[in-house]
Order: sequence, then C-alpha cells, then structure tokens
Amino acid sequence: AQTVTQSQPEMSVQEAETVTLSCTYDTSESDYYLFWYKQPPSRQMILVIRQEAYKQQNATENRFSVNFQKAAKSFSLKISDSQLGDAAMYFCAYRAPYYTGANSKLTFGKGITLSVRP
Amino acid sequence: NAGVTQTPKFQVLKTGQSMTLQCAQDMNHEYMSWYRQDPGMGLRLIHYSVGAGITDQGEVPNGYNVSRSTTEDFPLRLLSAAPSQTSVYFCASSYGSGANYNEQFFGPGTRLTVL
Repeated sequence: AQTVTQSQPEMSVQEAETVTLSCTYDTSESDYYLFWYKQPPSRQMILVIRQEAYKQQNATENRFSVNFQKAAKSFSLKISDSQLGDAAMYFCAYRAPYYTGANSKLTFGKGITLSVRP
Repeated sequence: NAGVTQTPKFQVLKTGQSMTLQCAQDMNHEYMSWYRQDPGMGLRLIHYSVGAGITDQGEVPNGYNVSRSTTEDFPLRLLSAAPSQTSVYFCASSYGSGANYNEQFFGPGTRLTVL
C-alpha cells in the first residue's frame, strides 16, 4: 500500500523568507501524481501544486515550487517570499495511476502546520 | 456552478444517534469520495465511488454507509454515532477514467461532534 510521510508537524518562517516543507512517499508504481494542498483556518482544501511522476521537470506555480526526487521518493514544497496568508496546514498527497484502478482516491500525509512571523 | 457542496456545516449528535451527511456536486464528476480529518492523522479515506451504483470501502469504513444512486449525490450515513466519529468530514469529487490527470475538488467540510 502507498504511504505518504510528513515527519515535521510544525514549521515557522519569517515573512519574505523561503521555507521548504518535506514529504516522502512509498509506492511500487512508476507513473503517479503528487500534490500539495493548503488548508487555511477556513478549513477549505486548496490545491497548491501538482507533479506528474513521468515529468522530470519540477512543477512551479508562482511562489510555490517543488523538488521532486523520484529515485529518493521525495517531494518537497518550497515557498518563496513567504506571506502572512501562507500560514496554514499543508498536506502532501499521492494519487495512483489510472491503470491500477485506484486513481479515484488520494493518500495523504499527516500534514504540517506552517506559521509565518511578521 | 456551485462545485462540491456539503450539508450541514456543523452537527452535534448524541451517542447512538444516526444521521446523514449530504454531499452534492454539479460538475458531472464520476468519482466521489469521503474523507475524515483528525488532528495529527491527516485525511483518511472512508468510502469512495467511481460512478452511480458503484461504491467501495476506503481505509476507515467501519460505522459508515454510503450509496450512489445519482452522479450528483454521495451521502454518508452514520448508523449509530460514537464519540470516535467526532471529526471533520470532507467530500471530494473528480472526473474519472482515462490516463489524464484529474484534480479532486473538495467541499467545505462538516464538523461533527458526538457526545
């Protein structure tokens, strides 16, 4: 079974600085999807960024980028120029390839709470 | 469109009571899922459906029932509520089938407390 591990329960960053959130996963598949979701105090789950495993290039969305290391099964999120609005819980998630029949569901890590200091 | 909607937003139950959490989506998504979120546990899959009439168990299905009679609706039933079911419940949906990536859209969640 796939597992997703986020070993840091909390992190803190100074406003305007850069922070990296770590995530590792375990799978026997070679073609899959990885995601970072943000959950602010409103509780809404917001997709931040996604990475297709078959793509070697790391995904980037504005101030958010990932460091995808497929061989190491590592998928970290870098937030540049941190803003107060980035304070939230962040979840790493895995989605199996469609041919496994398991692509209808996500496996989540336990999450990390990010605080941003003004 | 409204996306994924959930009702109610908050609910307090007594042990042994039953209730149904409603979930609806207006995006014609094939896949729908229910997750529960507990402190320090992330989101865990309860039940999921790949289309009308098709449901399956996830990681933590005990104490919950689901059915999918239409594409739009995917209600979650608590048969006899227990304090261990105190949690925040999320419904999610996405397009299915095929090899393309399909984003999962989440509802706003339901906070359930069982006394």
